[in-house]
Order: sequence, then C-alpha cells, then structure tokens
Amino acid sequence: SQQGEEDPQALSIQEGENATMNCSYKTSINNLQWYRQNSGRGLVHLILIRSNEREKHSGRLRVTLDTSKKSSSLLITASRAADTASYFCAKMEYGNKLVFGAGTILRVKS
Amino acid sequence: DVKVTQSSRYLVKRTGEKVFLECVQDMDHENMFWYRQDPGLGLRLIYFSYDVKMKEKGDIPEGYSVSREKKERFSLILESASTNQTSMYLCASVRGTGYYGYTFGSGTRLTVV
Repeated sequence: SQQGEEDPQALSIQEGENATMNCSYKTSINNLQWYRQNSGRGLVHLILIRSNEREKHSGRLRVTLDTSKKSSSLLITASRAADTASYFCAKMEYGNKLVFGAGTILRVKS
Repeated sequence: DVKVTQSSRYLVKRTGEKVFLECVQDMDHENMFWYRQDPGLGLRLIYFSYDVKMKEKGDIPEGYSVSREKKERFSLILESASTNQTSMYLCASVRGTGYYGYTFGSGTRLTVV
C-alpha cells in the first residue's frame, strides 16, 4: 500500500529558486520522513519529523507537518544543480515499517 | 562511514532460475528490509526482519522468500525468477525504536530474461 502521495510528480526550476514538494497521507503516523534518490542509486535519508512536531530544519531543507490535514511539505531553498534527484516522503507505520509514496522528480537547471 | 552493501549492482538472470540477492550492514541494526522499486509505483515492501531468524511479509511477498541467519545479513530469494520480477531491489536497515531514518544500499537492478 502506498500511503504517502507526493505532489507534484515532477518539478523543473532554475538554480537559486526554491523548490516545494508536498506529501499527503491517509492514516495516523508515528513520524514522517523524506528521502532523496539520485538517478539509479539508493535512497538517502534527509529528515524525520515526529507527529508532535510542526516544523523542522536541516541546512537548506525545511519540512512542515500538518497532522490535521494529513500533509507534509519539503522546501529546498536556494536550489543547486546537485539537488536534481527524486524525493520521496515515507510514513512510519507499526513495526518500524516505512511506506513510501511514488516520489517527486526535481530538476534544477543551471 | 556506516554502510549497507548489496552484493551486485546489476544482475541478469533467466526465467525459472533461483536468484539470491545479498545485503550486509555494518551498523548492528536489528531491523532490515527489502523493497522493490518500479517506475511510477515508488518503493514497495517485500519482506522485513526484526531480528535474526525473524521475518515478516510486506505488501508484495509473493514469489519471494528471505533468510536472516546472522544479524548483519539479510538475503532475498526469488524461488523461480519471472520476467515480472525485473526491477530495482533495495535493501535497508535501521536501529530498533522507530525514530531513525533508514540506511539504504545502492540497489541491485535485476533483469529477468
């Protein structure tokens, strides 16, 4: 089952612009996580936000969580060409099991 | 640097073959997972394991089995490979409590012909 749904499916921006990706889910969560995947490689964990947190920062990344709307967003500020990748949100379910969405493909043009 | 290592980056196998995908982690993590990734479908969980000799079915276990004889190693087995099992396979591990991010391997791209 895919509980995290990302929006948009693809995003193309210029270097220096901000990129925002959204994620919705259907059931209650323990925490929500964001991952990056460079082409054809494994996923890299970016940030984890717990269900009792509303916002979290890590470098140029900002994640928000709205549990009433069952949604989260990932903001990448001042994007760089190296940020080009696929980004996935994942909901933590019972038993330490992550359920991933289909992802957003981000392209940053230099 | 902590690592999850998958034994092969690319693999080509014939229909009907028994296929072993190996995953080793060096972080002493209790939990290990196998996902497959297909375009437009994201990652889907095949099997996971909480501890040595423990295993649980994920969302798409049909046609697969797993083995975890040692804490650091989690093997995915395709009993009789079929073309619809052509995919990217990703192994991951995480420590126990549910408040940590997963560490993924680099993936194995399996083609069944």
